[in-house]
Amino acid sequence: GAGVSQTPSNKVTEKGKYVELRCDPISGHTALYWYRQSLGQGPEFLIYFQGTGAADDSGLPNDRFFAVRPEGSVSTLKIQRTERGDSAVYLCASSAGDRGSKTQYFGPGTRLLVL
Amino acid sequence: GQNIDQPTEMTATEGAIVQINCTYQTSGFNGLFWYQQHAGEAPTFLSYNVLDGLEEKGRFSSFLSRSKGYSYLLLKELQMKDSASYLCAVSASGGYQKVTFGTGTKLQVIP
Repeated sequence: GAGVSQTPSNKVTEKGKYVELRCDPISGHTALYWYRQSLGQGPEFLIYFQGTGAADDSGLPNDRFFAVRPEGSVSTLKIQRTERGDSAVYLCASSAGDRGSKTQYFGPGTRLLVL
Repeated sequence: GQNIDQPTEMTATEGAIVQINCTYQTSGFNGLFWYQQHAGEAPTFLSYNVLDGLEEKGRFSSFLSRSKGYSYLLLKELQMKDSASYLCAVSASGGYQKVTFGTGTKLQVIP
């Protein structure tokens, strides 16, 4: 089926605004990950979902960041009171979960620019 | 925690062979991935090693030595389209699939 999709592909916002980034994983994948990637760096882990629950949110930088996955499929990463330092590419990935392949398949990312 | 080291940049000639090394230190080990990432694009999966030895897949091969905390990605018959960043990533044990990525090796293939 289709791969991981993310919307929007680009988002420009002003400092202090609220943004939502959406991820639609591969159908049937129970595990979903959010990463943040800055230029010249590897993806930095933010949060991991197994099903509907956030199994590990230790990578979220502070309480301005929050993510949900209410029905165990689509996930939304929410950033409140955005700061210029939040500018990065936000990548979503999914995998088959604990009982399947560990390989993570990435979406195209959302490029967030905070002015 | 985990520490992953790989060279920042490499240059190789079209048609040649290049080896990209990765060393890691981790509390618990549950597999090592290599991903390819072209500029402005998402990472794409290349290989996964969990046991020692060499895994070959077409022009790409990946090697793992768990006792040495060492892996390499071998690219043969280099093509211009192989110019990309190559990310080494380690999965730690602990009941789920958290993966930590290195900073990546930017490979430039020249004619």
